[in-house]
Amino acid sequence: DIVMTQTPLSLSVTPGQSASISCKSSQSLLYSDGKTYLHWFLQKPGQPPQSLIFEVSNRYSGVPDRFSGSGSGTDFTLKISRVEAEDVGVFYCMQSVQFPLTFGGGTKVEIK
Amino acid sequence: EVQLVDSGGTLVQPGRSLRLSCAASGFTFDDNSMYWVRQAPGKGLEWVAAISWNSDSIGYADSVRGRFTISRDNAENSLHLQMNSLRAEDAALYYCAKGRGRYFYGMDVWGRGTTVTVS
Repeated sequence: DIVMTQTPLSLSVTPGQSASISCKSSQSLLYSDGKTYLHWFLQKPGQPPQSLIFEVSNRYSGVPDRFSGSGSGTDFTLKISRVEAEDVGVFYCMQSVQFPLTFGGGTKVEIK
Repeated sequence: EVQLVDSGGTLVQPGRSLRLSCAASGFTFDDNSMYWVRQAPGKGLEWVAAISWNSDSIGYADSVRGRFTISRDNAENSLHLQMNSLRAEDAALYYCAKGRGRYFYGMDVWGRGTTVTVS
C-alpha cells in the first residue's frame, strides 16, 4: 500500500500570511498515462470534505487562487498564500494511482 | 447543481448488515466513477470502496474487503454500499463522493454523509 505522510500535523497562521503543507508518498504517484494522481481536500469544521486540487496542481472551479499545489513523484506541497479566516480546517492529500486509495493523516490549520 | 444525498446509516448490532445508499443528481451519473469514504469520530478520512462508471473496475480497502460490496444502478442514478458482518470499528460517518471521469482520477463532489453506529 502507498503510505501518505503529511507534515506538519498542525499549523497556526496569522491572517494574510502564507502556509505550506507537505505530503510525501512512499511510492511514485506518476501513472503510465503521464499524469500524477495526487489530490488535496479541505474539511472545514462540521462539514464534509471539499475538493481543492486534483492531479497535483489543478484547482477545481470556485477554489480561490491563493491555493496552489506543486510537486512530482513522491513529494508534494500545498501552499496557501494570504491565509484567510475561512481557511481553517483539516487539509488532506490523497493518492489514486493505485488501490487501495490512501489519504494522508491530515494537517489542521488554525488562525492565530 | 450536483447533489449527492447519502442515506441508510443507523444504529446496528455487531455482526449485522446494513445497506447505505447515495442518490445522485445534477450530472450524468453513468459517466463518472463513485466512491465511499468514511470518517470515524475524531479521526481522519479513510477510503472504503470505489466503482468505475460501468462497474468494470471495483476496489476495496483491506479493512472491508470480503464484508462490504459497492454497487451502482445507473438507471436509478444511485450508489450503494452493502455492509455485512459489521464490527465496532466500522462505526463512522460515511460519505459518498463523485469521481472525476470514468475511472479513479480523484473525487470532486461529496455528499453530507450518513452515520453508522455499531453497538
